[in-house]
Amino acid sequence: GQQVMQIPQYQHVQEGEDFTTYCNSSTTLSNIQWYKQRPGGHPVFLIQLVKSGEVKKQKRLTFQFGEAKKNSSLHITATQTTDVGTYFCAGGGAGGSYIPTFGRGTSLIVHP
Amino acid sequence: GAGVSQSPRYKVAKRGQDVALRCDPISGHVSLFWYQQALGQGPEFLTYFQNEAQLDKSGLPSDRFFAERPEGSVSTLKIQRTQQEDSAVYLCASSPQTGTGGSYEQYFGPGTRLTVT
Repeated sequence: GQQVMQIPQYQHVQEGEDFTTYCNSSTTLSNIQWYKQRPGGHPVFLIQLVKSGEVKKQKRLTFQFGEAKKNSSLHITATQTTDVGTYFCAGGGAGGSYIPTFGRGTSLIVHP
Repeated sequence: GAGVSQSPRYKVAKRGQDVALRCDPISGHVSLFWYQQALGQGPEFLTYFQNEAQLDKSGLPSDRFFAERPEGSVSTLKIQRTQQEDSAVYLCASSPQTGTGGSYEQYFGPGTRLTVT
């Protein structure tokens, strides 16, 4: 079945440094979603990418969807302590499946 | 408006007990998902409803797990004869997708943390 791998599992950064997490699928995706989960909280939807090569920005966050629609990345510029949390990608399977497959997540730790 | 709510937020059960976890989705959301999340892991799919129809239950780990959404709104996840390996956070999510195919953004509830002793 579809597998979504996410790296790295953990990332420690100093406040102000940049951060990137990568998501790779074993199969072509119909779309990719990104979620953020704060410690002790629940996943919160950030964005969805649908088109091949799509790039979207939300303030300091930049999301990319690969040309082959099998990989994606989330880049945060100049991290802040409020960025702390686990970032999950969730890939929508090709063929119209309603059910996204979540990656294991990347936990971001920001040191002030 | 109100988000997704779940109750109870915490549940401690003795091994062998039955538990029932409730989810109130966002009003008007057609789709409802249940996930299991272990510590340090991503949400693992359990089951999916579109209105009252359970369209996919392939993620339910055993026949001790049962979910229902009889009126297409509130949903209940029931676990019979709980085992220690059932200890996890159970997340419910609703989505506004309307059945045209493909996955849409999901709005998660706060989860129920189940501990089986």
